[in-house]
Parts: sequence; structure tokens; C-alpha cells
Amino acid sequence: NAGVTQTPKFQVLKTGQSMTLQCAQDMNHNSMYWYRQDPGMGLRLIYYSASEGTTDKGEVPNGYNVSRLNKREFSLRLESAAPSQTSVYFCASSEAQGAGYGYTFGSGTRLTVV
Amino acid sequence: GEDVEQSLFLSVREGDSSVINCTYTDSSSTYLYWYKQEPGAGLQLLTYIFSNMDMKQDQRLTVLLNKKDKHLSLRIADTQTGDSAIYFCAGPTGGSYIPTFGRGTSLIVHP
Repeated sequence: NAGVTQTPKFQVLKTGQSMTLQCAQDMNHNSMYWYRQDPGMGLRLIYYSASEGTTDKGEVPNGYNVSRLNKREFSLRLESAAPSQTSVYFCASSEAQGAGYGYTFGSGTRLTVV
Repeated sequence: GEDVEQSLFLSVREGDSSVINCTYTDSSSTYLYWYKQEPGAGLQLLTYIFSNMDMKQDQRLTVLLNKKDKHLSLRIADTQTGDSAIYFCAGPTGGSYIPTFGRGTSLIVHP
């Protein structure tokens, strides 16, 4: 019953450092997503992958890159972290991309950039 | 204005009904969703409604959809302290299949 697993759960970075947030799902879902959640801002889509082998930009892609490593895994990379990237990052997956497919979310990665 | 709007806070007494409201701008025929986020956790899909429906009931949860006014509501009957959480409405935007999330309504249930 793992669902969507994100690692790490917490991370502190110095400005300019890089890191990769990992996400894996075990539900055989085709579509995966990365969101960030900031106080009072709700959820904003960073990148998504409609199916294995494809990735597309969301609302706030600047400063991030993604890799859909295989059907299970979708990673988010910060090449040069900035304090503005301090946030809670959520990975989600859905059976497919389309109306009627609800999302399953991971428990989040809390990232602080100092 | 925002594509999906919600009020930010709601406070109710235990045992009362809670009504969380949401308005959206895109009239595309699609699904609208309610998610719940407990402290320190990810979002959990609560329920959804297709745009050709007016109402959907699921145990203590009732979803009402007014397509004319582009208004969605979530009613929680007999609200319990365990219902305290942030509730997100998610709806269509610009014909995309990917829903846009509102900013979330913090529901506080006090004894």
C-alpha cells in the first residue's frame, strides 16, 4: 500500500547547491506530476509527465528540471537552489491524464534554501 | 481573478454541518474535485463530481454543483474534530485536462 513515495522528507540547502527530489509510484499509473505548495498560494504545477517518455512544463517551471526515468519514477532537479525555492514539494500520479482521473499524492518534501 | 477561488478559513462547532465553497471560471465540461490535506501530509482525494451532475452524496459528504453560477460546494454533515484540515477544490482551466487547485480552505472544528 505504498502509493506515491517521496524522498527525502526534509532537506536544507545552501543557495547555489543542487539536489534531486525523488518520486516513485507503485500503482502502474501513467501520468505523474510535481507541485509546489507555498503558504496562501495553494498548489502550483511545476512539471508533469503524461506518459513514460514525455515531460511538459507547468505553471512555474523556471529553475527546475525533471526526468521520467521509467513508468514508476519521476524526479525533480534543482540545479542551483535559490531561497525562492523554499517550499513543500509534492509528487502526484494518476492512472492517465484526462478528466475523471483523481490524483494520488505523496507526503511531500519540505525544502529550505538558506 | 483566479481560476479557482475559495475562502481561506472556516470555523465550526463539533456536530454542526460545514459548508466549504468554491467558484471557478472555466465552463469546460469535466470533473471537479475535492481534496483534503491533514497537517504534515499530502492531499487525499475526497470526492469528485462530473459537470453533468447537480449533486453527489457520499456518506457525510455532499457535493453541490451550480453550473450556471460556476459554484461548487462541499457539505460535511456532523463535523468531527478529525475533519479539521485544509480542503482544496480543483477544477478545469483553459481546456487543459490538468485541474487547477484553489488556495485551500482551512477548516477548524472546535468542541
